[in-house]
Amino acid sequence: GENVEQHPSTLSVQEGDSAVIKCTYSDSASNYFPWYKQELGKGPQLIIDIRSNVGEKKDQRIAVTLNKTAKHFSLHITETQPEDSAVYFCAAPPGSSASKIIFGSGTRLSIRP
Amino acid sequence: GAVVSQHPSRVICKSGTSVKIECRSLDFQATTMFWYRQFPKKSLMLMATSNEGSKATYEQGVEKDKFLINHASLTLSTLTVTSAHPEDSSFYICSAGAGVNTEAFFGQGTRLTVV
Repeated sequence: GENVEQHPSTLSVQEGDSAVIKCTYSDSASNYFPWYKQELGKGPQLIIDIRSNVGEKKDQRIAVTLNKTAKHFSLHITETQPEDSAVYFCAAPPGSSASKIIFGSGTRLSIRP
Repeated sequence: GAVVSQHPSRVICKSGTSVKIECRSLDFQATTMFWYRQFPKKSLMLMATSNEGSKATYEQGVEKDKFLINHASLTLSTLTVTSAHPEDSSFYICSAGAGVNTEAFFGQGTRLTVV
């Protein structure tokens, strides 16, 4: 089955700086790569996703890059703000089902004022 | 985006009793729903896949007799934790997808505490 590895597990950055979270996956059939943000006591919220036919996607301060050959993808948050503090999860659903989310281990991002 | 509603958001039950959690897709038909479990400061672990009108598929290590899943309609799946024990205390989250190649939408989660 799919195996998703995520790092770092914790990340602390100064407000205004950039944050990068990286993930690798094992199933070469995976073709959809979402990123989720989870705030305390809430369900995960989709913040950006990318499909395997593109290498990069950007939405305001958030961007995701994908390297299918190397089977890794990354989340980039620029100009970080206090409200970006949360736990972020990458995911790589198996190729057979985009909605069957297999989560990475999570990254706790803290933004220092 | 589509809305998935989970109820209740919090529940406390006595050890040995059963508790039911509901997951509803409010504005779309969910052919497949998924149930996850999350322990404090851990990731979400997939427990089972629920398909409308058929038996759920459980992940390895998940007791199907302990966690009963019913997906009787295209908008509702339920998870019943039977004979709950304190170690079943956790955050349970559902998600729903409209089809095989569509994204999943997550509920807000249910905090279960067994005392």
